[in-house]
Amino acid sequence: EVQLVESGGGLVQPGRSLRLSCAASGFSFNDYAMHWVRQAPGKGLEWVSGITWNSGSTAYADSVKGRFTISRDNAKNALYLQMNSLRAEDTALYFCAKAAREWLETNWFDPWGQGTLVTVSS
Amino acid sequence: QSVLTQPPSASGTPGQRVTVSCSGSSSNIGRNAVNWYQQLPGTAPKLLIYDNNQRPSGVPDRFSGSKSGTSASLAISGLQSEDEADYYCAVWDDSLNGWVFGGGTKLTVL
Repeated sequence: EVQLVESGGGLVQPGRSLRLSCAASGFSFNDYAMHWVRQAPGKGLEWVSGITWNSGSTAYADSVKGRFTISRDNAKNALYLQMNSLRAEDTALYFCAKAAREWLETNWFDPWGQGTLVTVSS
Repeated sequence: QSVLTQPPSASGTPGQRVTVSCSGSSSNIGRNAVNWYQQLPGTAPKLLIYDNNQRPSGVPDRFSGSKSGTSASLAISGLQSEDEADYYCAVWDDSLNGWVFGGGTKLTVL
């Protein structure tokens, strides 16, 4: 069974950093692209970032470009999101999601993890 | 303001057929396949339709998707109470070089 388990969320002050992790199991992790998608409280889904199977290509939403960095460790079956210069508007539930293919585009997300909550507040 | 436009709400009675629209542009829906996700209250999103009109195994054939030009639609026939959820369309945008989601449609079964 494919499983994605996010961790690393919590309460952080504006301007500080946080690193999210996503532990994957039940599939050949190094064969697929991976993504982060977030959902602010009571709001819709917003794609944050994606990374190809071999880390050769990454992409970011304009709202996080220059502040967030996605990475993966295929030896550890793990996906990461380094979030710097956090803002109140980054407060959200962060989901990791497995892509159906090794590249970023023309794809779909399945499955999704249960999410980890990030709260940015002083 | 989402790049993809969905109606914020939709409703129907049990057994009815409802549709949810998703309007985009030539840089996203006009060029790439659309996916739909269902998010039941308090849960993570789940893939419902991929590649415009394909259903993953386990998704009832009451759910169907279509695409025409720069718009896409999700149809749910034989509406059931357990279909009450938020529905999101998503597609790769060639201009933004990233994925975009619709704002979501909250479906209420009356």
